[in-house]
Amino acid sequence: EVQLVESGGGLVQPGRSLRLSCIASGFTFGDYGMSWFRQAPGKGLEWVGFIRSKAYGGTTEYAASVKGRFTISRDDSKSIAYLQMNSLKTEDTAVYYCTRVGWGGVGWFTDCWGQGTLVTVSS
Amino acid sequence: DIQMTQSPSSLSAFVGDRVTITCRASQGISNYLAWFQQKPGKAPKSLIYAASSLQSGVPSKFSGSGSGTDFTLTISSLQPEDFATYYCQQYNSYPWTFGQGTKVEIK
Repeated sequence: EVQLVESGGGLVQPGRSLRLSCIASGFTFGDYGMSWFRQAPGKGLEWVGFIRSKAYGGTTEYAASVKGRFTISRDDSKSIAYLQMNSLKTEDTAVYYCTRVGWGGVGWFTDCWGQGTLVTVSS
Repeated sequence: DIQMTQSPSSLSAFVGDRVTITCRASQGISNYLAWFQQKPGKAPKSLIYAASSLQSGVPSKFSGSGSGTDFTLTISSLQPEDFATYYCQQYNSYPWTFGQGTKVEIK
């Protein structure tokens, strides 16, 4: 069974940093891209960023709202994806979800979600 | 950025009804469109990718269609477990963007 388990969320002051982890199991982690999405309280879904699998260069893409502050990385030996969040702002408060992203010749598409971890940025 | 617009924003329907949600992209996205279902307090669930391909394990009462700028998600016979919010998302180009969501409620 495919499982994605996020951790690392919590309460953090504006301007500080936080690192989220996403531990994957039930599939060959290195074969897939991984993405992070977020959902502010009572709002819709927002894409945060994406990291390709090593076979496709392991490169990253980011939403403009987080580019330069957030960094996605991966450790294929441990089946973990990370979201390093620096210079946090109150508007980054949200539930953060990691997802598995597959390539099927039809673009990179999300097919599995973690349960989410809440990040609250407040003084 | 590509804007995704869903309609309606909410709808009320009876159990057994056929329900259709539409999603329009501000520019052509070929078939690089996904649909997700989210129940209150839960993580989203992937339903459809490539506009019309069902994710593994998703019941066949869900179907998707469309290409270019106009897409639809249809639930053939609404069941109690289908009451949720549905989102479309384009992955044709970065940034990946979502529609605002369609809340399906019980009538």
